[in-house]
Amino acid sequence: AQSVTQLGSHVSVSEGALVLLRCNYSSSVPPYLFWYVQYPNQGLQLLLKYTTGATLVKGINGFEAEFKKSETSFHLTKPSAHMSDAAEYFCAVSGYTSGTYKYIFGTGTRLKVLA
Amino acid sequence: EPEVTQTPSHQVTQMGQEVILRCVPISNHLYFYWYRQILGQKVEFLVSFYNNEISEKSEIFDDQFSVERPDGSNFTLKIRSTKLEDSAMYFCASSERQHNEQFFGPGTRLTVL
Repeated sequence: AQSVTQLGSHVSVSEGALVLLRCNYSSSVPPYLFWYVQYPNQGLQLLLKYTTGATLVKGINGFEAEFKKSETSFHLTKPSAHMSDAAEYFCAVSGYTSGTYKYIFGTGTRLKVLA
Repeated sequence: EPEVTQTPSHQVTQMGQEVILRCVPISNHLYFYWYRQILGQKVEFLVSFYNNEISEKSEIFDDQFSVERPDGSNFTLKIRSTKLEDSAMYFCASSERQHNEQFFGPGTRLTVL
């Protein structure tokens, strides 16, 4: 069975500081992993994804994430936060179990960027 | 760039009334989904749809809910008799393959009075 845990429902960083949003997953099969961003009053937008191959994946808006199988983690980072990064971020996992693909979202982390 | 569209953007209804939320997925996508997000809470999976039938549904998706692909482009979610607790943002999504990233529409805000 798959599951996703996002540590920290709220994260605050200063503008220009490192952004680190944590995501741990559980999957009995090699997972596909995703990060989505939701700006206020909008739908979810894909930031980046890991399927196979290179474990460090780069996404839009300067974000990147590293798949660490040994730690079952897929943390999202950005070297320097910008005010426009303030949003809700969702980690998601997709994997094949019991004859079907399961796509599960984490509970989300709200990022606040302080001036 | 192709995108998922949803109508209406905001629907207000009286408790007990039926509502139909409409979505137009990306044209070459084969898998379709509905999600719900109650204000300030997490995104909850409702149902997935493939090859003109439901492939998976959550506990939330009870007999009051139904989905349909009435033609080659639309994908609808019907709530037969709305309850106050159905008030939420409803997102439609589609994907090319089941394992791939999902593309989300902008959502329909449903308010049940």
